[in-house]
Amino acid sequence: DSGVTQTPKHLITATGQRVTLRCSPRSGDLSVYWYQQSLDQGLQFLIQYYNGEERAKGNILERFSAQQFPDLHSELNLSSLELGDSALYFCASSVGDPGGKLFFGSGTQLSVL
Amino acid sequence: GNSVTQMEGPVTLSEEAFLTINCTYTATGYPSLFWYVQYPGEGLQLLLKATKADDKGSNKGFEATYRKETTSFHLEKGSVQVSDSAVYFCALSLLQTGANNLFFGTGTRLTVIP
Repeated sequence: DSGVTQTPKHLITATGQRVTLRCSPRSGDLSVYWYQQSLDQGLQFLIQYYNGEERAKGNILERFSAQQFPDLHSELNLSSLELGDSALYFCASSVGDPGGKLFFGSGTQLSVL
Repeated sequence: GNSVTQMEGPVTLSEEAFLTINCTYTATGYPSLFWYVQYPGEGLQLLLKATKADDKGSNKGFEATYRKETTSFHLEKGSVQVSDSAVYFCALSLLQTGANNLFFGTGTRLTVIP
């Protein structure tokens, strides 16, 4: 158990809808990262937050947004969903130190029908 | 840009065979290099890392050496076990950007048969 909790584990929705994925980092970790894993794109970095502030941005679509709350949990919002958004979404956390180890949650499997 | 290229899988080996999974990288600065492993139904776990040239990371019988001259970080294990069956990801991180995000390779699925 990595200590990172993601909910829900599975999500099935329709095109055009909006969903929210939730992540609770390990106790004491200030950084949260979101990754998307799909068969054709592999594991893609989406965005990182550190202590409530956005720290780095990767291949995140404009239809997607994220935030980190004062209690350090994070939410990833996906809107106007398309079939191609179907993927496994991972959250990871770390203390935030350079070169530090990332701890990954077990992911949310999103299926857009 | 920054990227990681891994050998494509899947790789199937018999128990006790020697494993090599190739990984090369392109980076604009001086990256740290990592191998993560994903067991079925789980998230990724750090397997080993190296933060500078010629460093060797090792864990659970796996090892990889940071080769700056060949921009490589190949993963090796002398004798694989069935329990090593998983997907292995090579990754890099550029610390000087101030962020700690990882750039991953596409992953290599390893299956070890008894």
